Order: sequence, then structure tokens, then C-alpha cells
Amino acid sequence: GAGVSQSPSNKVTEKGKDVELRCDPISGHTALYWYRQSLGQGLEFLIYFQGNSAPDKSGLPSDRFSAERTGGSVSTLTIQRTQQEDSAVYLCASSFRVAEWADEQYFGPGTRLTVT
Amino acid sequence: SQELEQSPQSLIVQEGKNLTINCTSSKTLYGLYWYKQKYGEGLIFLMMLQKGGEEKSHEKITAKLDEKKQQSSLHITASQPSHAGIYLCGADRYSGAGSYQLTFGKGTKLSVIP
Repeated sequence: GAGVSQSPSNKVTEKGKDVELRCDPISGHTALYWYRQSLGQGLEFLIYFQGNSAPDKSGLPSDRFSAERTGGSVSTLTIQRTQQEDSAVYLCASSFRVAEWADEQYFGPGTRLTVT
Repeated sequence: SQELEQSPQSLIVQEGKNLTINCTSSKTLYGLYWYKQKYGEGLIFLMMLQKGGEEKSHEKITAKLDEKKQQSSLHITASQPSHAGIYLCGADRYSGAGSYQLTFGKGTKLSVIP
């Protein structure tokens, strides 16, 4: 079956511009996660959706970052007024999330964002 | 501070050799995951461990979680060039308000020399 897909795969943008990153999770997965991986750094958790709601937004690095999920499916991560430090690979993952049970997250290929 | 420490940071082995990667947490792990990442690709799920003392194997890769659930090891037997990549351990953490976060170690870069 189809896995998690992300678009675009690569994005080069000028400093100060807004960007939108898209994630299509595996059909039926209720939980969706966004992570960021900067060069030389480990994965950084950004935000988690259960259905369309995000119980915890504390991982978002600044108020320039926002995310939404509609119809319990597609999610969009928006970065406003991009800065060079936003350059990273943004990874999306999805899973069946049942409260209090650990589960397997399946990751998309990521979007490589470069801010010039 | 980093909740998960991985060692070594990088590893170069000759094809056919065995190797072990470790992942240590200062807190009891609720769920421990191992992923593999190749450049330009997404993370590939390898294994998930939940119970103290649990051990799982897939092909030539074996992962163990210690009884205290604070340390996990990933062992590769008779390594092959296809095993090369970055191995990441991740731990499930309940952060309250019905939210879960997955925290990752910084990864171990494995190179296998033919």
C-alpha cells in the first residue's frame, strides 16, 4: 500500500518568504507527526496531531511555525518569514495512535528546505 | 540535555564483521524504536521494543531492551554494505494532555567497507 508522502521533496526559498510543506499520511492513520532534522542534529519533534487536533504545540520553534490538519488526513506545516536557521529536512510520520499504547510511526521521505 | 544517548557516533566496519550500537536513556523507556535512515530517504522502521528484557530479530539485525528499560542495543551480524546508513533510536514519552512525543538520539553513522 501507499506510504506517507510529502511534497515538495525539495524547496529553495528566499529569506523572508513563507513556505508550505504538505504531508499525506497513510490512509486510516489517526496520528500525524512533524519532525525537523537539521544538519548534524538529531530529530526534533515539532507537533503531533490526533485526528485534526494538536494537543501539544510546544515543540514548534517559534510563532512563525504553524500546522494544521484537515479531514483527519492531509497536514500542512507553514513557516512564515523564513530564516536561514529554518533550513532543514522536515519529516512527517503517521501511525495508528491509541491512547497509552506505543505504536509504530511510518515516516515520509521528507522535504528538504533551503533558505537562502 | 539529550534524553537519549547513542554510541558510537560513527562506526566503520569491514564487510562480514559484527557490530553493536547502543542507546541509553536516563529515564525508563516506555517504548523504544530503532530506525534506519539513508541519505535522501525517509526513516525506515526496524523494530519496536516495549518490555524489559525483550529481544527481537529481523534478518541479521537483533535489538534488545534491558530489564530496567533504560538501555537498548542493536546488533548486526555479518554486516553487508546494504546495512550502511544512520541508525536512530527513538523513545516514546507521554508529555501530558493526551500527547505523545518521540524523542530521538543523534544517530550512529554506519559505514561498511566491502
